[in-house]
Amino acid sequence: AQKVTQAQTEISVVEKEDVTLDCVYETRDTTYYLFWYKQPPSGELVFLIRRNSFDEQNEISGRYSWNFQKSTSSFNFTITASQVVDSAVYFCVLTSGGSNYKLTFGKGTLLTVNP
Amino acid sequence: GAVVSQHPSRVICKSGTSVKIECRSLDFQATTMFWYRQFPKQSLMLMATSNEGSKATYEQGVEKDKFLINHASLTLSTLTVTSAHPEDSSFYICSAREGINQPQHFGDGTRLSIL
Repeated sequence: AQKVTQAQTEISVVEKEDVTLDCVYETRDTTYYLFWYKQPPSGELVFLIRRNSFDEQNEISGRYSWNFQKSTSSFNFTITASQVVDSAVYFCVLTSGGSNYKLTFGKGTLLTVNP
Repeated sequence: GAVVSQHPSRVICKSGTSVKIECRSLDFQATTMFWYRQFPKQSLMLMATSNEGSKATYEQGVEKDKFLINHASLTLSTLTVTSAHPEDSSFYICSAREGINQPQHFGDGTRLSIL
């Protein structure tokens, strides 16, 4: 069975702080895909990144960066210089052939960035 | 980027009413669409997987006669909540993907309130 663990239920930071959201996953498949989605208070889900299991390069996109470590089965997400608009629930998601490519969601981390 | 349109965004209706929610992929052909339900402060729960031209596959515990899904074209899937009751009140989100390991792109969700 597949599993995604986001141990941090809620995080609260002050604007301009850096924050890292943790994600640990479990799968028996050697080929799999990891995603991060953002869900702001308005409810829509916004796709942030996709990573396949063969690409361990870390990625940076503006203030966002992702650290994929297969050795520890982790796919952590860091926001640098956080802003109030970053306040949202962030979901780490896993999919693979073993799950018929259905998405396995973590429980989400609620990030609150205070001014 | 890929856009998924979900309509309506909010529905308030009386118990016993049937409610139809539409999900459209605007700029790509969605071979597969998914319907999720989300309770407050919880993660998304997959209800069913819908492939164009075939019957939807429902997750365990989801009543197929209660939640009717139709995927008549590569750009449109509908979810009908039949004879809705207050316990059906929830946030319903659809998603669509172009290919089997492509990211799912989500609609903005529908807040359903049954009085």
